[in-house]
Amino acid sequence: DAGVIQSPRHEVTEMGQEVTLRCKPISGHNSLFWYRQTMMRGLELLIYFNNNVPIDDSGMPEDRFSAKMPNASFSTLKIQPSEPRDSAVYFCASSLRGGSGANVLTFGAGSRLTVL
Amino acid sequence: GEDVEQSLFLSVREGDSSVINCTYTDSSSTYLYWYKQEPGAGLQLLTYIFSNMDMKQDQRLTVLLNKKDKHLSLRIADTQTGDSAIYFCAEKLEDDKIIFGKGTRLHILP
Repeated sequence: DAGVIQSPRHEVTEMGQEVTLRCKPISGHNSLFWYRQTMMRGLELLIYFNNNVPIDDSGMPEDRFSAKMPNASFSTLKIQPSEPRDSAVYFCASSLRGGSGANVLTFGAGSRLTVL
Repeated sequence: GEDVEQSLFLSVREGDSSVINCTYTDSSSTYLYWYKQEPGAGLQLLTYIFSNMDMKQDQRLTVLLNKKDKHLSLRIADTQTGDSAIYFCAEKLEDDKIIFGKGTRLHILP
């Protein structure tokens, strides 16, 4: 398996523009997490899905952020409109969730977003 | 509330042991994890421990869990230059949410 695939790896955009980040989880995994990493706040959980259903989106900072998982092999994180404070590295991670198991996450390489 | 705390930096001489500490607040945590992040990459799992265990050893890595104090540590024996990275502590909560600390940057001195 190629692992968790995220695109784009780097994005530079201007304030006010729409940004869409994409994630392809590992085939067979049934949980997907979106995190944001900054120096100041560390690694923040934004939202996670089980079986394509959003379970907890309490970490999504504002209405400008939205995430979807239309099927088991694809998820998007959208920011509209983007602001300079959204600049961060966004990570997608997937896992095979089952019963009371360890739910080990496999991370993608991240999407580095810079909003000017 | 849910929170995971770690010190931000640690410097260790090559060949010595590194001990990275973590505290968490949620007593319902079922699993606790250590992840490693190298520059420009995503996080990779190093090891994890179930909450009813107090110790786990895997080659150079030793994890100690004190559930009463909600304290987790990672000991790396014979620290090498390749161990230079950011180490994240994480906990899995009852609702399957996984939250991370801010990470400890390990610097290896020659």
